[in-house]
Amino acid sequence: SQQGEEDPQALSIQEGENATMNCSYKTSINNLQWYRQNSGRGLVHLILIRSNEREKHSGRLRVTLDTSKKSSSLLITASRAADTASYFCAMGLQGGSEKLVFGKGTKLTVNP
Amino acid sequence: DAGVIQSPRHEVTEMGQEVTLRCKPISGHDYLFWYRQTMMRGLELLIYFNNNVPIDDSGMPEDRFSAKMPNASFSTLKIQPSEPRDSAVYFCASSRQGGGYTFGSGTRLTVV
Repeated sequence: SQQGEEDPQALSIQEGENATMNCSYKTSINNLQWYRQNSGRGLVHLILIRSNEREKHSGRLRVTLDTSKKSSSLLITASRAADTASYFCAMGLQGGSEKLVFGKGTKLTVNP
Repeated sequence: DAGVIQSPRHEVTEMGQEVTLRCKPISGHDYLFWYRQTMMRGLELLIYFNNNVPIDDSGMPEDRFSAKMPNASFSTLKIQPSEPRDSAVYFCASSRQGGGYTFGSGTRLTVV
């Protein structure tokens, strides 16, 4: 399967702590993207990292990509209750296709 | 821009009935995607369009599903006849080439 695998499936932390979510994939990629989904809502694009990039930051988010290990991580620093959501990695495949293959997600709960 | 607009938000229908889901993408986005989300299978790509032309429909489950994009501002996903196993949340998303997706709020379909 081309699908990515997120780890852990669920994560519960206290407000102010950092949250790290990992994504592993099997195929060659053009880019890797992270999305957030609040309960009952659509997915929201957080960050895109290209295959020739190793690290990217956006506000409290830090994403790393290791193409040799076919893995990525999303770090949320100083978490807030409002960060409670499911987080998905999505692989943009090589070969010119614009389609993304999504993982099953990590459900993050940030307790106030 | 109001974002990607999907209608209806909720649809409950009886088995065997025809269901039509609608999507208005973001103006200027030349890619449109239809995804289905279930607990068991996660997010699955059904079909995507580029400049109103279907590019990849390999994810469409069977002939009961069809999708059209008659112009740059409108797409439909039709299920005829519907079955209980079609119950899911259906998302439409749009993007520019190489960019992140913008998702709609989804249509929650229940087939009884």
